[in-house]
Amino acid sequence: EVQLVESGGVVVQPGGSLRLSCAASGFAFDDYGMHWLRQVPGKGLEWVSLITWDGGNIYYATSVRGRFTISRDNNKKSLYLQMNSLRDEDTAFYYCAKEKMGSSSSWFLDFWGRGTLVTVSS
Amino acid sequence: SYVLTQPPSVSVAPRQTARITCGGINIGRRSVHWYQQKPGQAPVLVVYDDTDRPSGIPERISGSNSGNTATLTISRVEAGDEADYYCQVWDTNSGQPWVFGGGTKLTVL
Repeated sequence: EVQLVESGGVVVQPGGSLRLSCAASGFAFDDYGMHWLRQVPGKGLEWVSLITWDGGNIYYATSVRGRFTISRDNNKKSLYLQMNSLRDEDTAFYYCAKEKMGSSSSWFLDFWGRGTLVTVSS
Repeated sequence: SYVLTQPPSVSVAPRQTARITCGGINIGRRSVHWYQQKPGQAPVLVVYDDTDRPSGIPERISGSNSGNTATLTISRVEAGDEADYYCQVWDTNSGQPWVFGGGTKLTVL
């Protein structure tokens, strides 16, 4: 059974830093790209970042580029998100998700974690 | 960047059919994926590649895609189908290729 478990969400002051973790199990972690997404409570989904299976390619949403850093440790089957210079608008549930390629070379997210809440507040 | 438009809400009576649309320019040329998110829970993939269902998703849930509109159809709606539904495409022409619609709240009357 595929499981993704996020941790690290806390209350942090504006300008602060935080590191989220996602522990994966039940699949060959080092075969798949992994994502972070976020959701402001009561709002829609926002894609945040992607790291390919080997960490060779990394992508960020414009809203977090230069402040957030995604990384992974395939030996530990873990995904990370280092969040710096946090702003009020970064307050959200953060989800990690596993990607899969569809039949038309289109990508989707076939498993998600339950999320961890990051609150940026003074 | 590519934009996906969903109605904010859809309401349907139990045992009726709900149709949730996802609009985008020539979306019929893209593969569309759908996620269901129940209150307090993580999103779950319910349809991928326009029409395919992951294992465990009931046949009552189906998808279609043509022209400028993709549609998620839920037949014989049950109270347990009440959730937010999001469509998603992968836009190769964008620096942010993962595009989500704004979501549709399905209310079972």
